[in-house]
Amino acid sequence: GEDVEQSLFLSVREGDSSVINCTYTDSSSTYLYWYKQEPGAGLQLLTYIFSNMDMKQDQRLTVLLNKNDKHLSLRIADTQTGDSAIYFCAERGGYQKVTFGTGTKLQVIP
Amino acid sequence: DTGVSQDPRHKITKRGQNVTFRCDPISEHNRLYWYRQTLGQGPEFLTYFQNEAQLEKSRLLSDRFSAERPKGSFSTLEIQRTEQGDSAMYLCASSAITDTQYFGPGTRLTVL
Repeated sequence: GEDVEQSLFLSVREGDSSVINCTYTDSSSTYLYWYKQEPGAGLQLLTYIFSNMDMKQDQRLTVLLNKNDKHLSLRIADTQTGDSAIYFCAERGGYQKVTFGTGTKLQVIP
Repeated sequence: DTGVSQDPRHKITKRGQNVTFRCDPISEHNRLYWYRQTLGQGPEFLTYFQNEAQLEKSRLLSDRFSAERPKGSFSTLEIQRTEQGDSAMYLCASSAITDTQYFGPGTRLTVL
């Protein structure tokens, strides 16, 4: 079945860039997503990328996709304390089901 | 539109009781999804509706779970004879043709 893996924890200093990595197994993935979840809250869609794209930039966010390696990354430039949260990578294959990773907890140190 | 809403936000129940959660999707979205999230894990897909039709169900959705979307708008998720293992956050999401799913705030269920 589909599997999505992420590292569990990342700590960065305020103002630095954060890079959160994700690998997935489903070769038929059509969309790949990054969601942000703050404590006790639902998931907030940050950005997504189609599987035929290599890169997408949206303000401070840059998504890189290496389809050959099934590797997705999210770069957050000038990381702020408000960026502290859990970040979920997710992929959608040929159907509507979306498979999520276990999440990466980002800690931003002032 | 204010986004996907869920009710209640928190539910505490005793083992063996039935519970029902409601989800109101974004109004123009015809697709609706239910997920379950346990502590330290990502959301796990439970089921999906397109309009009023339930098109896909996960094997996680045991016989005690039932979901409906009778008029293709709001949806309900019912859990019968709750067990302590049902304690989790139940998330609802909706999408339009673009398929990008937008999530509600979730209902946190605690089974004592």
